[in-house]
Amino acid sequence: ILNVEQSPQSLHVQEGDSTNFTCSFPSSNFYALHWYRWETAKSPEALFVMTLNGDEKKKGRISATLNTKEGYSYLYIKGSQPEDSATYLCASSSYNNAGNMLTFGGGTRLMVKP
Amino acid sequence: KAGVTQTPRYLIKTRGQQVTLSCSPISGHRSVSWYQQTPGQGLQFLFEYFSETQRNKGNFPGRFSGRQFSNSRSEMNVSTLELGDSALYLCATRTGDRGLGTEAFFGQGTRLTVV
Repeated sequence: ILNVEQSPQSLHVQEGDSTNFTCSFPSSNFYALHWYRWETAKSPEALFVMTLNGDEKKKGRISATLNTKEGYSYLYIKGSQPEDSATYLCASSSYNNAGNMLTFGGGTRLMVKP
Repeated sequence: KAGVTQTPRYLIKTRGQQVTLSCSPISGHRSVSWYQQTPGQGLQFLFEYFSETQRNKGNFPGRFSGRQFSNSRSEMNVSTLELGDSALYLCATRTGDRGLGTEAFFGQGTRLTVV
């Protein structure tokens, strides 16, 4: 995988549903995987930054896992709420870059219906 | 603490003109990166500056350039604007040196429209 890819592109769920998204990234020279939430008319905000294979992070109802060997990460939202509606972006960074270059996926747009 | 500030928020320019966008990072953040988002595209990396030096550059033509000042504020310039340059331009700042594992803080972006 040369690029960062996210699936699905969009998702409509009912309030209370649990959902998950996938991020695939290049596993060679991997350094870190970032997840951001981007609400309409706001700035992207960091959810998680993960570096270690097998890493799992949680913030409230949102959690993420990381598999650096196979190059994927999952983001889970338990009991979706309308305020979770946003675009979720993942981005990877690698040792190839001297600095802080993040390669972003296209995002998953989540819409939660009340 | 104050967030990342981008100015202006909105801009309309004519083809062939040039434009300068500004990004003021969070205090103490020395790395500033610029990204472009066009309709249907993800965030595309333009360049990153650290301590007034460009450290990384994305695959954009030479019309896109940037610089960083001693106070870490950064500007990006686009010369000879084309219609395809219409986009949301975001800057993201991070704390420090090799902060590959640290989160980025984004500004609200500058929406550029080229007519």
